[in-house]
Amino acid sequence: DAGVTQSPTHLIKTRGQQVTLRCSPKSGHDTVSWYQQALGQGPQFIFQYYEEEERQRGNFPDRFSGHQFPNYSSELNVNALLLGDSALYLCASSTRTGNPYEQYFGPGTRLTVT
Amino acid sequence: GDSVTQMEGPVTLSEEAFLTINCTYTATGYPSLFWYVQYPGEGLQLLLKATKADDKGSNKGFEATYRKETTSFHLEKGSVQVSDSAVYFCALSEGRGSTLGRLYFGRGTQLTVWP
Repeated sequence: DAGVTQSPTHLIKTRGQQVTLRCSPKSGHDTVSWYQQALGQGPQFIFQYYEEEERQRGNFPDRFSGHQFPNYSSELNVNALLLGDSALYLCASSTRTGNPYEQYFGPGTRLTVT
Repeated sequence: GDSVTQMEGPVTLSEEAFLTINCTYTATGYPSLFWYVQYPGEGLQLLLKATKADDKGSNKGFEATYRKETTSFHLEKGSVQVSDSAVYFCALSEGRGSTLGRLYFGRGTQLTVWP
């Protein structure tokens, strides 16, 4: 049973560029959440997708957007990158029909903005 | 709003020492509480959880008890091993519909165990 997968593993971008990160949830999961983990900090909630709609959003600007596809996979897009966007981006999947409290995390994408 | 405060690190212990990492929380409802572990270069792994007051979560020798009266969920292990070296995160999740499944994390505590 494949767990949560994320791509790419690492990414280096320049300020002002745009980036797309991808996530495939654990088999049987229908909900995807994205978190940003800055160096030395705990993960911060960006948003959550369920049934291809954004259901919740944390305190992040509109430069952060997402999408969920019919197969439940998800993308995180960040526009006009800032140096402060450098972080580990974590995807977590869960299911609303089972135990919504149990989230499974992917290995993350390390984004470096120069 | 909801938040988690955990003990500042880093924590350095010798193998077989007793471990305690303190965690307290603020929540408006009746949250579920979690401990996650992050090994170097990896994502987060769920270590243990408790969904209601007085529940004790346990896994791999780690334990934590959900104390509603003190709003705490301290992580303990009787005898740590070198392989326990990692960053530990305390987290909570409210059960309400509008925030269902959203996790609020503490800042993490780096644990290093020396042989």
